[in-house]
Amino acid sequence: EVQLVESGGGLVQPGGSLRLSCAASTFTFTNYAMSWVRRAPGKGLEWVSVISASGDSTSYADSVRGRFTISRDNSRNTLLLQMSSLRAEDTALYYCAKEAGNSGGNTGGNFDWWGQGTLVTVSS
Amino acid sequence: QIVLTQSPSASASLGASVKLTCTLSSGHSEYAIAWHQQQPDKGPRCLMKLNRDGSHIKGDGIPDRFSASMSGAERYLTISSLQSEDEADYYCQTWDIGIRVFGGGTKLTVL
Repeated sequence: EVQLVESGGGLVQPGGSLRLSCAASTFTFTNYAMSWVRRAPGKGLEWVSVISASGDSTSYADSVRGRFTISRDNSRNTLLLQMSSLRAEDTALYYCAKEAGNSGGNTGGNFDWWGQGTLVTVSS
Repeated sequence: QIVLTQSPSASASLGASVKLTCTLSSGHSEYAIAWHQQQPDKGPRCLMKLNRDGSHIKGDGIPDRFSASMSGAERYLTISSLQSEDEADYYCQTWDIGIRVFGGGTKLTVL
């Protein structure tokens, strides 16, 4: 079974930074695009960012573009999310999700496996 | 802009069936979608992908009680023989180049 384990969440002040990690195992990480998805308190799921299998293509939701950076270390089977200029509205559980495809494009963009999430709280 | 519309809530009795609806926005009626379930205090899990031709591919370990169908721009998730553990939030999801989109989710209550 696919394993996705997020870490790095915590309490951070507005304007601060945080880096999330997602350790992947039991599948060939280098073959699949990966996404970050979040769920704010009382809200639904919101897609944040996607990275292609090779790491050469990335996309972001408008709400985080210019503040968040997605990357991956294929040698360590790890997905990363660098978050900066954090705002109260970024408070959420952050999930990493494996995509069915490899490109981050218009094929295989469904999420077939999810992690359990890591909590990010932005508050003074 | 792709928009997925779901009813905020639904309810049905234990042992009954329920059909949840996800409607694709104009111009996107032929898109494939996926259905995801999120039980309280758990990470989401993929229930199934519903292809453009109406065929579907279930996620790992998803029971036969869960099925999907479509009509025009509407995509359906049917859950039969409802069990207490089916009480959860259900999301439809679609995708295009450089974007992934979720519906607002339907909170299912099992009475």
